[in-house]
Amino acid sequence: EVQLVQSGAEVKKPGESLKISCKGSGYSFASNWIGWVRQMPGKGLEWMGIIYPGDPDTRYNPSFQGQVTMSADKSISTAYLQLSSLRASDTAIYYCARLNLGGLNFWGQGTLVTVSS
Amino acid sequence: DIVMTQTPLSSPVTLGQPASISCRSSQSLVHSDGNTYLSWLQQRPGQPPRLLIYKISNRFSGVPDRFSGSGAGTDFTLKISRVEAEDVGVYYCMQATQIPYTFGQGTNLEIK
Repeated sequence: EVQLVQSGAEVKKPGESLKISCKGSGYSFASNWIGWVRQMPGKGLEWMGIIYPGDPDTRYNPSFQGQVTMSADKSISTAYLQLSSLRASDTAIYYCARLNLGGLNFWGQGTLVTVSS
Repeated sequence: DIVMTQTPLSSPVTLGQPASISCRSSQSLVHSDGNTYLSWLQQRPGQPPRLLIYKISNRFSGVPDRFSGSGAGTDFTLKISRVEAEDVGVYYCMQATQIPYTFGQGTNLEIK
């Protein structure tokens, strides 16, 4: 069974950094792109970028480039999303999802990040 | 960036009746490899999104056959043949033809 399990909710202060993890199982983690998606409170889905754990090759949405860093450790089947210099506007749920068949076909449960002073 | 525009943004539907959501892209979604990477996702309240349809019309594993997708080029449609209570949620189209991938604004399906 394909599963993506994300790290737990975080509360951070403005200016701090954060690294969210996404552990895959039940499939060849290194051979499938992992995408990251942001969902701000009460809003829609925003595509942040994708990473291919086998290389790792990364493709960022220019809207997020410079603010986030994607990485992966294929030896432990885990992808990471690092957010730096957090602001209140970074408060959101962050999802990882496997890109396969031209779609995001398996999703993590989401990680709620709250940025507040 | 390719802009994805969904209509309607809200769709009140009677149980057992059909529902239809339209998604239009600002440019053709036909990839250089010949595929059209248009998918549909469902997000039930409090849940992560779930893939329903990929490459326009292919139902993902476990998706009921009351869901169907169609379209070509820049115009696409998701249809639910008979809405059930569990179909309540927000539906998104997404294009994965050109980076950055983009989502539609979402359509809120609710029961009348």
